[in-house]
Amino acid sequence: GAVVSQHPSWVICKSGTSVKIECRSLDFQATTMFWYRQFPKQSLMLMATSNEGSKATYEQGVEKDKFLINHASLTLSTLTVTSAHPEDSSFYICSAPQTETNHEQYFGPGTRLTVT
Amino acid sequence: GNSVTQMEGPVTLSEEAFLTINCTYTATGYPSLFWYVQYPGEGLQLLLKATKADDKGSNKGFEATYRKETTSFHLEKGSVQVSDSAVYFCALRLNNAGNMLTFGGGTRLMVKP
Repeated sequence: GAVVSQHPSWVICKSGTSVKIECRSLDFQATTMFWYRQFPKQSLMLMATSNEGSKATYEQGVEKDKFLINHASLTLSTLTVTSAHPEDSSFYICSAPQTETNHEQYFGPGTRLTVT
Repeated sequence: GNSVTQMEGPVTLSEEAFLTINCTYTATGYPSLFWYVQYPGEGLQLLLKATKADDKGSNKGFEATYRKETTSFHLEKGSVQVSDSAVYFCALRLNNAGNMLTFGGGTRLMVKP
């Protein structure tokens, strides 16, 4: 089946620094990827839709200047958390639909970010 | 708007017990319905799905039937195992809204030996 990877799986950073999270579709091309945020024991909240070759679409309330998304190729999207603060600590998950076949969404394993 | 409501957890069961996790939805169109499972420390995995009314999705002993009349998609399993302990998410996708999923709040299942 289709595989989506994320890197790193976990990261600890200091307040004020920036962190980049990568999402890759390993065996299929993804013109669209989704970025979610998940707080402990809560559901996934869609942050933004990453579009290859164009600007990302952000959900209401998500700061586009803080959460920079770049869909560099058909297999890679990156989320950069800029000037991170402790309240940005969360589990970030990406997903990609395999539009070539079944349109099912495949999820990455997630990245746990802790900002100290 | 579109929304998914599922029963709050945690649900704690003994091994071999019967499982039901309720899920109801509201949608402006005709959605496809999904159950995803998230094991500790991992991303979500598709468990089963149904794309139209009266369809039954099934996988790994889990089943859910798309009930349009009650706007429900309850997840059931006849005999749970300790390895089923995870968080289960009900989700919908409108068939004219690309690939965007709307998730329920998740239900944590704990199965004790």
